[in-house]
Amino acid sequence: ILNVEQSPQSLHVQEGDSTNFTCSFPSSNFYALHWYRWETAKSPEALFVMTLNGDEKKKGRISATLNTKEGYSYLYIKGSQPEDSATYLCAPRGGGGADGLTFGKGTHLIIQP
Amino acid sequence: KAGVTQTPRYLIKTRGQQVTLSCSPISGHRSVSWYQQTPGQGLQFLFEYFSETQRNKGNFPGRFSGRQFSNSRSEMNVSTLELGDSALYLCASSLGGGIQYGYTFGSGTRLTVV
Repeated sequence: ILNVEQSPQSLHVQEGDSTNFTCSFPSSNFYALHWYRWETAKSPEALFVMTLNGDEKKKGRISATLNTKEGYSYLYIKGSQPEDSATYLCAPRGGGGADGLTFGKGTHLIIQP
Repeated sequence: KAGVTQTPRYLIKTRGQQVTLSCSPISGHRSVSWYQQTPGQGLQFLFEYFSETQRNKGNFPGRFSGRQFSNSRSEMNVSTLELGDSALYLCASSLGGGIQYGYTFGSGTRLTVV
C-alpha cells in the first residue's frame, strides 16, 4: 500500500487565476500515476495517466507533470473557471502494475466568481 | 456509448445481512475494479478483475468478495454486514491491464447499514 499525500487539502481561487497542487508518492516501486477530477454528485473522471519521468500531459487548460525520481506530480489549471470546482485526486499504481490504484485524499478546489 | 452501470444506486441493509452489488462495464472493457469511499478514508481499493480472474486485492477482510463473468460484468458481495461497511461503492472499468489505460467510473452504489 503506497503512502500518497496531496496538498493542499482545499483551495479557494478567484475565477481567472491559475493554480497548481501537488501529489507526493513513494518513488520506489512506481508504475504509473493517474489524475482524476471528481465533481459533486458525479463520478470521478479520468484526466491523465502518466508513466515516464518527465512526462507532461495537457487537456485544455489543465496540465500535469511527473517526477518519478523524487516522487511527485503537479497538476496545473490555467485561468480557472467555475466549472473547474471539484476534488482532484491522484492515484499512483505500484507493484509492477499488479497493485490497484492508491488514491490520495484529494485537493478540494473551489473557484470563486 | 453506454457508461459504467452500477445497480442498485441505493441500498439499505441491516447489520448481519449480506449484499450483492452489480457492475456492467463499458462494452469492450475487460478490467473491472471496485473501490470503497468513506468520508474518513477516501477512496480505497477493494479488488480488480481481468478476464474473470482476480488480479489483485486490497486490504479488506474476507467478508468482501467479488467475481467477474465471461461478459466482463462484475459483482461484489459483502457478507455479515457491519455498520462500518456503510459507504459509497464505486466500480471502474478499463480497456485492459496495460499501464496506459485510465479508468471510467460508474455512479456508485450508496450502501447504508443500520
